[in-house]
Amino acid sequence: AQSVTQPDIHITVSEGASLELRCNYSYGATPYLFWYVQSPGQGLQLLLKYFSGDTLVQGIKGFEAEFKRSQSSFNLRKPSVHWSDAAEYFCAVVSSGTYKYIFGTGTRLKVLA
Amino acid sequence: GAVVSQHPSRVICKSGTSVKIECRSLDFQATTMFWYRQFPKQSLMLMATSNEGSKATYEQGVEKDKFLINHASLTLSTLTVTSAHPEDSSFYICSASPGGHTRTDTQYFGPGTRLTVL
Repeated sequence: AQSVTQPDIHITVSEGASLELRCNYSYGATPYLFWYVQSPGQGLQLLLKYFSGDTLVQGIKGFEAEFKRSQSSFNLRKPSVHWSDAAEYFCAVVSSGTYKYIFGTGTRLKVLA
Repeated sequence: GAVVSQHPSRVICKSGTSVKIECRSLDFQATTMFWYRQFPKQSLMLMATSNEGSKATYEQGVEKDKFLINHASLTLSTLTVTSAHPEDSSFYICSASPGGHTRTDTQYFGPGTRLTVL
């Protein structure tokens, strides 16, 4: 069965520092991968997605993610974090044969001023 | 574009009552809508998938008689929590997809509804 793992439950970084959020997936075929961000009490906003092609995907708000098939990873990065980036980040994969999203457990980002 | 709204954003009800949550796609027609449940500090769990004009498909373990889903039009789906109990308290999020039947169809998420059952 497909699954998504986000190993880091919490991450704290200083404002202006770089950020990398990890996401590993378990999937037999080419995965369709997403990163979403959720602010407190809010729904999810799509940051970026990967279906095929260039393995480095650019998203909104200065985020990017790199698909690495050999490592079954789709890590999210940002070169310089802003205080407004503090939120919960979810990685998701679309399950095989359906259109259902499988979400990771999320990583809560805290940004220090 | 691709805005999904939910109403209400918060609702508090007494145990035993029913609560209806609306999910609307504001600027596109959603063939498929999805309902998720999110417990505090946990991920989203898919409850059911609804297609316009047909019965919803529920995930394993989700009681279809308790969580009634209606997708009456291409822009509106409703989730009714019947005879709500405190354990139904949660954050309910809907999403909508213009296509919904292929893996490349992006889902657009609503802002969520916080249900508290006293």
